[in-house]
Amino acid sequence: QQQVKQSPQSLIVQKGGIPIINCAYENTAFDYFPWYQQFPGKGPALLIAIRPDVSEKKEGRFTISFNKSAKQFSLHIMDSQPGDSATYFCAASWRGGGSQGNLIFGKGTKLSVKP
Amino acid sequence: DSGVTQTPKHLITATGQRVTLRCSPRSGDLSVYWYQQSLDQGLQFLIQYYNGEERAKGNILERFSAQQFPDLHSELNLSSLELGDSALYFCASSVFGGNSGNTIYFGEGSWLTVV
Repeated sequence: QQQVKQSPQSLIVQKGGIPIINCAYENTAFDYFPWYQQFPGKGPALLIAIRPDVSEKKEGRFTISFNKSAKQFSLHIMDSQPGDSATYFCAASWRGGGSQGNLIFGKGTKLSVKP
Repeated sequence: DSGVTQTPKHLITATGQRVTLRCSPRSGDLSVYWYQQSLDQGLQFLIQYYNGEERAKGNILERFSAQQFPDLHSELNLSSLELGDSALYFCASSVFGGNSGNTIYFGEGSWLTVV
């Protein structure tokens, strides 16, 4: 119920390609869906986030698509660059009792962008 | 730099020992979270404190404990260490606790190796 399932586990694209990372959830109480980017040796950093009342959000080359009925959301990286090579985590949180807004993370996707 | 400071960055200890990981949250943040990151389990929420009080518990073992002090720094105590406790431990902080959608900022982690 509280899981967030993320796929694929790893992804290799050429520079300029559009990698897409998908996440699915079950808990309909989730109301905040952030994506975090993590470089080796660093902590996760917030990339972009969305609420379920919108279907799409863009920030620079990063876009979240959200499908509330399917309980799925995805990250698209336009014109991907080698510097985007990192591990990406989707996450979800809800206001429910005991949760206190904590993030439930997917297992991560290791993205490699080839020059 | 997220503003969340963790020490030590690396720690090697023997099975059965006890260690303490320290975290200073971002200036002004009242909420502190602890996460464990391992290859097989991904990012797992352990525990959250808000302004000195425990707010939420996740998958934290009984051998582990934490506290948040009046100056808002936090410590995670890991005792009777086992090989399986080897992982990257992240501290994170946010301004509030209990609000879904609160941006959570992560430190760079403390690498714990149990030998």
